Amino acid sequence: GQNIDQPTEMTATEGAIVQINCTYQTSGFNGLFWYQQHAGEAPTFLSYNVLDGLEEKGRFSSFLSRSKGYSYLLLKELQMKDSASYLCAALDSNYQLIWGAGTKLIIKP
Amino acid sequence: GAVVSQHPSWVICKSGTSVKIECRSLDFQATTMFWYRQFPKQSLMLMATSNEGSKATYEQGVEKDKFLINHASLTLSTLTVTSAHPEDSSFYICSAGTGGDNSPLHFGNGTRLTVT
Repeated sequence: GQNIDQPTEMTATEGAIVQINCTYQTSGFNGLFWYQQHAGEAPTFLSYNVLDGLEEKGRFSSFLSRSKGYSYLLLKELQMKDSASYLCAALDSNYQLIWGAGTKLIIKP
Repeated sequence: GAVVSQHPSWVICKSGTSVKIECRSLDFQATTMFWYRQFPKQSLMLMATSNEGSKATYEQGVEKDKFLINHASLTLSTLTVTSAHPEDSSFYICSAGTGGDNSPLHFGNGTRLTVT
């Protein structure tokens, strides 16, 4: 079956770095997305990886290893506003998105 | 950037009535739009895939006669919750891609539906 695993909740300190991991098992693979979702709001797009390696966008970076079925989202210089849920989603061979349950990130001062 | 507008943002209705939610792609043509439902503290659940000019494809367990989807144009899809019941109260979100199989989805702001 198809499956996305990511931690349910993580806690980090303001100004620190946090890495949110995601492992996936899909029928075929056409890329992996990371979305941020604040409570009561719709998700917003953060990143898309289809090739192995690290993609950096300001304070956020996303990494993909296709051979390991693994990705992570790295958040640097954490700010209180980064407190949100982070959703990992993989695109399968039919270009359907398979969603993880999301990781709730709690930032403490 | 790509913008998806969803309306209304919130709605309260009485049990037994119907509610229509609109999803518009403002600056691009969306051949395919997706409708999601999200219960509190849970992840997105895909309800249906809406294709312009054809019938929507519903996910298993989603009643197509209850959740009517119409995708009449390349910029508008609507979801109508018919004969709503309190258990239909949820956060409904639409999304659309800008084109191309690997393009990111852009989401509407969602509609908070409360059925009393």
